[in-house]
Amino acid sequence: QQPVQSPQAVILREGEDAVINCSSSKALYSVHWYRQKHGEAPVFLMILLKGGEQKGHEKISASFNEKKQQSSLYLTASQLSYSGTYFCGTTYGGSQGNLIFGKGTKLSVKP
Amino acid sequence: NAGVTQTPKFRILKIGQSMTLQCTQDMNHNYMYWYRQDPGMGLKLIYYSVGAGITDKGEVPNGYNVSRSTTEDFPLRLELAAPSQTSVYFCATSGTSRNGEQYFGPGTRLTVT
Repeated sequence: QQPVQSPQAVILREGEDAVINCSSSKALYSVHWYRQKHGEAPVFLMILLKGGEQKGHEKISASFNEKKQQSSLYLTASQLSYSGTYFCGTTYGGSQGNLIFGKGTKLSVKP
Repeated sequence: NAGVTQTPKFRILKIGQSMTLQCTQDMNHNYMYWYRQDPGMGLKLIYYSVGAGITDKGEVPNGYNVSRSTTEDFPLRLELAAPSQTSVYFCATSGTSRNGEQYFGPGTRLTVT
């Protein structure tokens, strides 16, 4: 049930764009995105719900393809502060499902 | 508002020892969670609680116990520590549902030798 993230790691120059993917073998209820900087706690970025609702705090965009059971996180015009490990978490079977996290994608943004 | 606090920050245990990881929140959230994070493996749910007096197992509950006597506190107990329990432990809360935004504490880094 653990979602699969790709790529495992990506290196960018400031200003470049990146896409991080999260896919599941089961029908998804929701996809959550978190960013974790080294030695710190994960921080919430966005929730995408079945049916199209999205909730997020940052100017980061994401998509949720229910048919393909996958989500993508789009990081445009990257900044040094975007560096960290990005985790997707997925829930199944309704609003009371537990969050299951993927293994993460490590993003490094260089000057 | 402190948010979610965890103590201790670091701990080294000998095999077979026991300890309690403390988690306290001042956000008045009903939902609380304990995760462990091993290098390259993401976060695994150990236990969760939907309110005071109610707890349930997550993906990896073996070797752990929890209690939730108040809304604020959700301690995690390790009995008979084993090297496999070496990990970083995060406590988290969410307000609206188990499908809501989660707020994480700073973590406890535990080493069992």
